[in-house]
Amino acid sequence: GAVVSQHPSWVICKSGTSVKIECRSLDFQATTMFWYRQFPKQSLMLMATSNEGSKATYEQGVEKDKFLINHASLTLSTLTVTSAHPEDSSFYICSSLGQAYTEAFFGQGTRLTVV
Amino acid sequence: SQQGEEDPQALSIQEGENATMNCSYKTSINNLQWYRQNSGRGLVHLILIRSNEREKHSGRLRVTLDTSKKSSSLLITASRAADTASYFCAPFHSNDYKLSFGAGTTVTVRA
Repeated sequence: GAVVSQHPSWVICKSGTSVKIECRSLDFQATTMFWYRQFPKQSLMLMATSNEGSKATYEQGVEKDKFLINHASLTLSTLTVTSAHPEDSSFYICSSLGQAYTEAFFGQGTRLTVV
Repeated sequence: SQQGEEDPQALSIQEGENATMNCSYKTSINNLQWYRQNSGRGLVHLILIRSNEREKHSGRLRVTLDTSKKSSSLLITASRAADTASYFCAPFHSNDYKLSFGAGTTVTVRA
C-alpha cells in the first residue's frame, strides 16, 4: 500500500515555542491530507483537512491561528503548532486518502510534549 | 463527516479465541472501513466493505455490513497476541471526503 511518512516521531519543546510536523506521501500524490489529534486512550479527533494549493479547512473548535497547516505540494503537508502550551501536548497523526478514495494511509504519528 | 461508534469499548480474550466488535453509524455510506492502531502508532487499514456487500473476508478477518441497521461487525478468528490493538470503524461517503473515528474497541489478547 501507499506510504505516508510523518516526522518527527516525537518532540519535546518549551512553552511558547513553535513546532513543525511534516507529513509526506512517498509514492503517490496526495491532493488532500488530514490532521488528527489523539489524547491518551481516546479517539482521533479530526482537526483539519489540508488541500494542496489552498487554505486548510478547520473543524469546529480548532484554532486556525494556533495550528497552521500548509500543503504547498502534492507530497508534503505541514502542521505547525504555534506558541505551544502544555495542553497542546498530544499525539498528532496525518493521513491521506488514496487516489481511489477507498482507504486512508496514516503517518506514524508525532508525540508532542510541551514542557 | 459522520463517525462510527464501536462496541464494546474493551475486549479481553485468550489467545486462540475469536474477537467480535461492532460498529454503528447514522447516515448512508459508500463503504465502511476498519482500521487497527497499535499503541503509539498511526492507523493501519484492515479491510473495506462496500455498501452493496454484506460480508467480506481477509485472512483471519471477517466483516459484515447491514445497511438497513446501519451496523457492521468485525470478527478476528484464532486471535494472536499480535492482534492486541485498538480497532476503529470509519463510515465513508463520497459527498464528504473525510474519515472520522469513534472511541474504538481496545482488544487485549492474553497469551
